[in-house]
Amino acid sequence: EAQVTQNPRYLITVTGKKLTVTCSQNMNHEYMSWYRQDPGLGLRQIYYSMNVEVTDKGDVPEGYKVSRKEKRNFPLILESPSPNQTSLYFCASSSSIGLAGLTDTQYFGPGTRLTVL
Amino acid sequence: KQEVTQIPAALSVPEGENLVLNCSFTDSAIYNLQWFRQDPGKGLTSLLLIQSSQREQTSGRLNASLDKSSGRSTLYIAASQPGDSATYLCAVRGSYGGATNKLIFGTGTLLAVQP
Repeated sequence: EAQVTQNPRYLITVTGKKLTVTCSQNMNHEYMSWYRQDPGLGLRQIYYSMNVEVTDKGDVPEGYKVSRKEKRNFPLILESPSPNQTSLYFCASSSSIGLAGLTDTQYFGPGTRLTVL
Repeated sequence: KQEVTQIPAALSVPEGENLVLNCSFTDSAIYNLQWFRQDPGKGLTSLLLIQSSQREQTSGRLNASLDKSSGRSTLYIAASQPGDSATYLCAVRGSYGGATNKLIFGTGTLLAVQP
């Protein structure tokens, strides 16, 4: 079954304690991205990756890091979490973008609800 | 900077009614527009994708239209069912420069279909 998985699904942590949210897809997709969803603000892109070892900032990258060492995995790292990073996080992937005739359908993971105390 | 707006923020209709959800965007230079559905506690599911050269897309009871010049898209749901209750989001992808690498989302319309 084609899917994007995220772990953990729920996490409560304290300020300053480093954490990693994992994301994995089994569709051999080149493009992966991370979003956060906050009430009234919608989904905002944190980071994205066009392929292995190619990552770039989205609209709200401050306080986050990512890596793309393998095609299937795209972990989100919070080196020193703060309460304003309390949010619902989604990972997404798609086969490609920007190429005429190819689908851009995004596949989303189930979300990770993070609370930083 | 691209901004995507969805009105209304919430909508409640009786079962069987046809309904229209609206999405507007400020920059008409888009590559495509997608409609998603989000169920409580779950991720997003892509419903329809319209390329900038297309006017509409259909899937079952869903029909999405795109008027790029006016910066508008509508999602038409025919014969609504309680199972259609969810939040519906639209997102656009820009057609130039770094904007092609990003999806800009609206804040969504929360739909409740009453049995």
